[in-house]
Amino acid sequence: RKEVEQDPGPFNVPEGATVAFNCTYSNSASQSFFWYRQDCRKEPKLLMSVYSSGNEDGRFTAQLNRASQYISLLIRDSKLSDSATYLCVVSRFSGNTPLVFGKGTRLSVIA
Amino acid sequence: EPEVTQTPSHQVTQMGQEVILRCVPISNHLYFYWYRQILGQKVEFLVSFYNNEISEKSEIFDDQFSVERPDGSNFTLKIRSTKLEDSAMYFCASCRDSSYNEQFFGPGTRLTVL
Repeated sequence: RKEVEQDPGPFNVPEGATVAFNCTYSNSASQSFFWYRQDCRKEPKLLMSVYSSGNEDGRFTAQLNRASQYISLLIRDSKLSDSATYLCVVSRFSGNTPLVFGKGTRLSVIA
Repeated sequence: EPEVTQTPSHQVTQMGQEVILRCVPISNHLYFYWYRQILGQKVEFLVSFYNNEISEKSEIFDDQFSVERPDGSNFTLKIRSTKLEDSAMYFCASCRDSSYNEQFFGPGTRLTVL
């Protein structure tokens, strides 16, 4: 089983739509969880950390379900500029440990 | 806003040659990393570095690879004898606080081995 699994997409949605991405991770010892955004041929950029209580940042909401080893990202009122690949990322343990990346989910927001 | 910088942005080299990729992490960060991404694949961890020594390395990081922090600002990745399969985007990342492990990535160096 892959360490971090995501639906590769692409998700093609109209502007203003709400879109949700899901991710599962295999290592129950994982302690830190993130969503990164990656534009074509660019570096991953931290979108948000994901906490057990869930967290929201503007149009973006992230949820974590440790029991199911499942992470989600919800984007409301999609903008053209949201078009990118969204990377689900976990780190195995707490502290200074490597990040483990999913392959990403491609989102295209269409006018 | 402070950011991680990397040079060069693109490096083309012949197989068997040595390359050095350079990174300047964010100035108050203490933890440094190298990752790579082969075209069309996921980002993969290579090595982490803290307190002037390697903390952890992956299976990819074999004897051909080395890292160094030669001064207070630069963090380098050396590949001694490049292979065709080393062609990839190499990202440097840094993290200030290990408690949250939020890592910030540089723009990457695209390495092409011919």
